[in-house]
Amino acid sequence: AQSVSQHNHHVILSEAASLELGCNYSYGGTVNLFWYVQYPGQHLQLLLKYFSGDPLVKGIKGFEAEFIKSKFSFNLRKPSVQWSDTAEYFCASRNTDKLIFGTGTRLQVFP
Amino acid sequence: GAGVSQSPRYKVAKRGQDVALRCDPISGHVSLFWYQQALGQGPEFLTYFQNEAQLDKSGLPSDRFFAERPEGSVSTLKIQRTQQEDSAVYLCASSILPLQGVSNTEAFFGQGTRLTVV
Repeated sequence: AQSVSQHNHHVILSEAASLELGCNYSYGGTVNLFWYVQYPGQHLQLLLKYFSGDPLVKGIKGFEAEFIKSKFSFNLRKPSVQWSDTAEYFCASRNTDKLIFGTGTRLQVFP
Repeated sequence: GAGVSQSPRYKVAKRGQDVALRCDPISGHVSLFWYQQALGQGPEFLTYFQNEAQLDKSGLPSDRFFAERPEGSVSTLKIQRTQQEDSAVYLCASSILPLQGVSNTEAFFGQGTRLTVV
């Protein structure tokens, strides 16, 4: 069955540090990949998505992700995090008509 | 409305009680999804509607779980004879078109209903 793995469960950073959150997917065919963010007390929001074309995807709030087909990876990056980036981050893959999510990574950013 | 709306936001049920959770998707959205999110976990797929048709219910954990979307808009997730393991946040999402085969279609999520079974 298709699955998504996020190996970083909890990440703690200081402001201005660089961020990279790992995401690996299992499906070997055509993939559509997503990163969602959930700020405390809020709903899941889309950060960015990959469907085809340029494997480096730019999203909102300075986030980007790189699709590396040979590694089955879609890691999320941000060069300089802010305290307001404190949230839970979920990687997801489309499987037919639905999304399959990873277990999430909790990011805490300290001033 | 402006987004996906779910009610109630919080629900406490005694074990064995039946509950009904409501989802109002974004107006005009064809696809509607229900997910279950246990504490510390990612959302797990429950079921999917395209308009009023329930096309995928492979994620429903037991026959105690039932979902409907009779007019192709509002949806209700019903859980009969609730058990403690049903405690979770239930998320609803909608998309304007089916996710399959159409690029740049995204799913919008509601804030969820937190169900606690005591």
